[in-house]
Amino acid sequence: RKEVEQDPGPFNVPEGATVAFNCTYSNSASQSFFWYRQDCRKEPKLLMSVYSSGNEDGRFTAQLNRASQYISLLIRDSKLSDSATYLCVVNKGAGKSTFGDGTTLTVKP
Amino acid sequence: EAGVAQSPRYKIIEKRQSVAFWCNPISGHATLYWYQQILGQGPKLLIQFQNNGVVDDSQLPKDRFSAERLKGVDSTLKIQPAKLEDSAVYLCASTPLYEQYFGPGTRLTVT
Repeated sequence: RKEVEQDPGPFNVPEGATVAFNCTYSNSASQSFFWYRQDCRKEPKLLMSVYSSGNEDGRFTAQLNRASQYISLLIRDSKLSDSATYLCVVNKGAGKSTFGDGTTLTVKP
Repeated sequence: EAGVAQSPRYKIIEKRQSVAFWCNPISGHATLYWYQQILGQGPKLLIQFQNNGVVDDSQLPKDRFSAERLKGVDSTLKIQPAKLEDSAVYLCASTPLYEQYFGPGTRLTVT
């Protein structure tokens, strides 16, 4: 079993749709959690950190459920520019990071 | 602020040849990572440095891969000899604490 598993996707949604991605992790000692965005043939960039209390940044909402060991990302009112691969990242401490394989989102007009 | 620099951007070599990649992290970032990203997969950690010391190299194929960060600043990753399955993008990242800043990567093709 992989340390970090994501919905395989791809997700194809129309503009304006709401879409949610899930990510599960196997190490209960994991300490911090992030979502990164990676555009085609580009490097990953931090989208947002994920806090236990949940956090929101504009149209994006991230949530963490430590008991069930999963992280979610919700995108509301999808834009064409949201088309990308979304990577779930789990840190075990001391900066040791494990990336999921990503979920690809395509937003269509 | 300058970002993470990597070179070369592209490299094509034949199997059994050697190749080296260079990374210059953001100034002041003590932690540096090398990742391998195969098409369709997420980045896989190869090695993590804290200053010039190795924090984690558990997934580095040490029979063919080596990396160094001698002065705690820039770093090189070497593959010798290369195999077909080494074809991937090699990403370097640095971080001041939590957020990782990635370079543009080196796209390696082994034929």
